[in-house]
Amino acid sequence: AQTVTQSQPEMSVQEAETVTLSCTYDTSESDYYLFWYKQPPSRQMILVIRQEAYKQQNATENRFSVNFQKAAKSFSLKISDSQLGDAAMYFCAYRRPLSGADGLTFGKGTHLIIQP
Amino acid sequence: DGGITQSPKYLFRKEGQNVTLSCEQNLNHDAMYWYRQDPGQGLRLIYYSQIVNDFQKGDIAEGYSVSREKKESFPLTVTSAQKNPTAFYLCASSTGGLTDTQYFGPGTRLTVL
Repeated sequence: AQTVTQSQPEMSVQEAETVTLSCTYDTSESDYYLFWYKQPPSRQMILVIRQEAYKQQNATENRFSVNFQKAAKSFSLKISDSQLGDAAMYFCAYRRPLSGADGLTFGKGTHLIIQP
Repeated sequence: DGGITQSPKYLFRKEGQNVTLSCEQNLNHDAMYWYRQDPGQGLRLIYYSQIVNDFQKGDIAEGYSVSREKKESFPLTVTSAQKNPTAFYLCASSTGGLTDTQYFGPGTRLTVL
């Protein structure tokens, strides 16, 4: 079974600075998908970024980028120019590459605090 | 507006009662999912459905049941057999294709008294 580990229960960063959230996973598959979701106090889960394992290029969405290290099974999220609205729980998730639907396996999350 | 709706936002039930949580989507997605979230935990998969009239158990299906009679709807019933039903429940949907990405509803907070 796949597992996803987020080793930082809580991180704090000054507004406008850069922070990196860590995620490692365990799988025997060679192809798969990885995601970062954000859960603000409203508890709505919001997709931040996704990465296909077969793509060597790291995904980027505006201020959010990932460092995907397939051999190390590592998938960290970098948030540049942190803003107060970035304060939330961040969850790393994994999905197998099956055709059709399949559930996500989530890590336990990292609580990100933005210091003004 | 396209999206996923869950109702109600907060739900209270007495121990031993079955309760059904609603999930509706108008995104024309084939696949739908139910997850449970406990404090300090990530989401865990309860059930998922790839198409109408078909569904599969997830990692923690015991004490729950689902139906998928319509593409738009995937209700979850929390039965009296579920030992610790108090939790936050999230519904999601996706196209179900290879590049599948799941989008989530706002969630229902269930408290069993």
